[in-house]
Amino acid sequence: QSALTQPASVSGSPGQTITISCSGTGSDIGLYNYVSWYQQHPGHAPKLIIFAVSNRPSGVSNRFSGSKSGNAASLTISGLQAEDEADYYCSSYISSGTRVILGGGTKLTVL
Amino acid sequence: EVQLVQSGDEVKKPGESLKISCKVSGYDFSTQWVGWVRQMPGKGLEWMGIIYPDDSDTRYGPSFQGLVTITVDKSISTAHLQWSSLKASDSAVYFCARASQYYGVDVWGQGTTVTVSS
Repeated sequence: QSALTQPASVSGSPGQTITISCSGTGSDIGLYNYVSWYQQHPGHAPKLIIFAVSNRPSGVSNRFSGSKSGNAASLTISGLQAEDEADYYCSSYISSGTRVILGGGTKLTVL
Repeated sequence: EVQLVQSGDEVKKPGESLKISCKVSGYDFSTQWVGWVRQMPGKGLEWMGIIYPDDSDTRYGPSFQGLVTITVDKSISTAHLQWSSLKASDSAVYFCARASQYYGVDVWGQGTTVTVSS
């Protein structure tokens, strides 16, 4: 199973809205509504910020939102802040093998 | 509070063996998948494999099959990742994490840095 496809980098200015895409196939994102997103700051463990396509864990800012269409998912960050500068990863549930497939990661730069 | 606490950083020589651990607390260890993730310096996350503690059902990613072994000790709610013969290319940060169908990977350990150098 190949990794989910994400852009290597995105950037935006404070206050702007950015979107990070995550492309899969009909065997992962297209088949299940179990897409998650993670934020990782340098030197720290990843943190879950979106689960089941569009749900936020308690304590995660509502500036983060998720969606899915067909075999692709998206993470949108509105009102961009300096603290949002981090690496972002998507994942999908898969029924076989290792149960989880990860994206390659996207580096978000806040200009 | 759900916590995954990993063992400390390691410095080893090529050819040596190593076993790192992930101590779980705050939930029923037996009934949730635990996975391991590799992050090589400056690179992305790689899902190495996953184990279901209740029956030790273990699945490995293609890049890691035969290179590492994932086990659990239910008596102490701990998962392990081990190598029989380390290589320099095994130098990385390794995370353990809880995984489920609905939440994805919702709780992560703090990471263990493994450095393999002669």
